[in-house]
Amino acid sequence: DSGVTQTPKHLITATGQRVTLRCSPRSGDLSVYWYQQSLDQGLQFLIQYYNGEERAKGNILERFSAQQFPDLHSELNLSSLELGDSALYFCASSVAEGGGSSYNEQFFGPGTRLTVL
Amino acid sequence: AQKVTQAQTEISVVEKEDVTLDCVYETRDTTYYLFWYKQPPSGELVFLIRRNSFDEQNEISGRYSWNFQKSTSSFNFTITASQVVDSAVYFCALISNSNSGYALNFGKGTSLLVTP
Repeated sequence: DSGVTQTPKHLITATGQRVTLRCSPRSGDLSVYWYQQSLDQGLQFLIQYYNGEERAKGNILERFSAQQFPDLHSELNLSSLELGDSALYFCASSVAEGGGSSYNEQFFGPGTRLTVL
Repeated sequence: AQKVTQAQTEISVVEKEDVTLDCVYETRDTTYYLFWYKQPPSGELVFLIRRNSFDEQNEISGRYSWNFQKSTSSFNFTITASQVVDSAVYFCALISNSNSGYALNFGKGTSLLVTP
């Protein structure tokens, strides 16, 4: 158990709908990352937050957005869902923002499997 | 640009065989970190090792060992005396200064099947 929690574990919805995925980082971790794992694209970085502020963006679609709240949990919002958005969405957390003389390990949650029908 | 290549898509071995998973990376940065993660059938991603670009010492942890060679931009992973529980998808990943923030840049993964 990594200490990172994600809810829900599974989500089935229809095209055009909007969903929210939730992540709670490990105790003490300030940085949260979102990744998408699909058969086509593999594991791709979406977005990073550090202590409530957006730090980096990867291949995140405009239909997707995220935020990190004062209690450090994060939510990933996916809207106008398409069939191709079906994937496993991971949240990871680390202690630091990631710079300086070392990069902290990212510990991953169990993922949320999203199925868009 | 950063890139991680895991040329082996699938590997199948019989229990107790040794197996090496290859990882080749590309980066222009002099400071970077390499990682290996394991994804068992249950789906979670498990951190295995981190290695920085200034430390080329090989590492051994039980049946696992890692060979980092900057000259060939490789960071290979060997499992000695494989076991059925080693069956999983293994991902090599890279973080470097010019990455998107400090996000992991993953390879496509190598699916390892260990049969009894």
